[in-house]
Amino acid sequence: DTGVSQDPRHKITKRGQNVTFRCDPISEHNRLYWYRQTLGQGPEFLTYFQNEAQLEKSRLLSDRFSAERPKGSFSTLEIQRTEQGDSAMYLCASSLKVSLYFGEGSWLTVV
Amino acid sequence: KNQVEQSPQSLIILEGKNCTLQCNYTVSPFSNLRWYKQDTGRGPVSLTIMTFSENTKSNGRYTATLDADTKQSSLHITASQLSDSASYICVVSLKTSYDKVIFGPGTSLSVIP
Repeated sequence: DTGVSQDPRHKITKRGQNVTFRCDPISEHNRLYWYRQTLGQGPEFLTYFQNEAQLEKSRLLSDRFSAERPKGSFSTLEIQRTEQGDSAMYLCASSLKVSLYFGEGSWLTVV
Repeated sequence: KNQVEQSPQSLIILEGKNCTLQCNYTVSPFSNLRWYKQDTGRGPVSLTIMTFSENTKSNGRYTATLDADTKQSSLHITASQLSDSASYICVVSLKTSYDKVIFGPGTSLSVIP
């Protein structure tokens, strides 16, 4: 499979715990994006990487959120001290030029 | 303010019928407009992409139109199938150094037998 892959697909965690999601983009894609989506809403932009450089962060990305793309390949999104409001699907997308290719998303439920 | 609106919010149609979804945007500078299909619990999948100079594009039973003057787009689905039940998201890109996109809230389509 040469699409965007995300892991884990589902995560249930207790409030206050830390969670980390991983995204493996399509191999030749230098651009990588993270989005958050809640039920019935469109995806909301979180952050954007070009190669290993994080070029833009949304104000939605509070201090508890951090994203990295250490070697310009895979990326991780960590949420510290999770809150119930963090429950959502976290989508990763990659692109080379114009078209965005999305992964299947990582569902987070904070209980 | 860069914004994308979609209507209706939700739609129920009988299998075999046609339907049209609407997208209005106030995004500048405009680069391109895409329609995505998102099945429940899955990531969005691209259906069509149109630039400023294109006013119609088809992908099987899906036909998208774009009026750059009125900043409106529509997605027409012909002879709907049960598998068309999904959320359809209109996404508009800004002409920036990278692919900055604005997502619409989506239209939830249910096709019933």
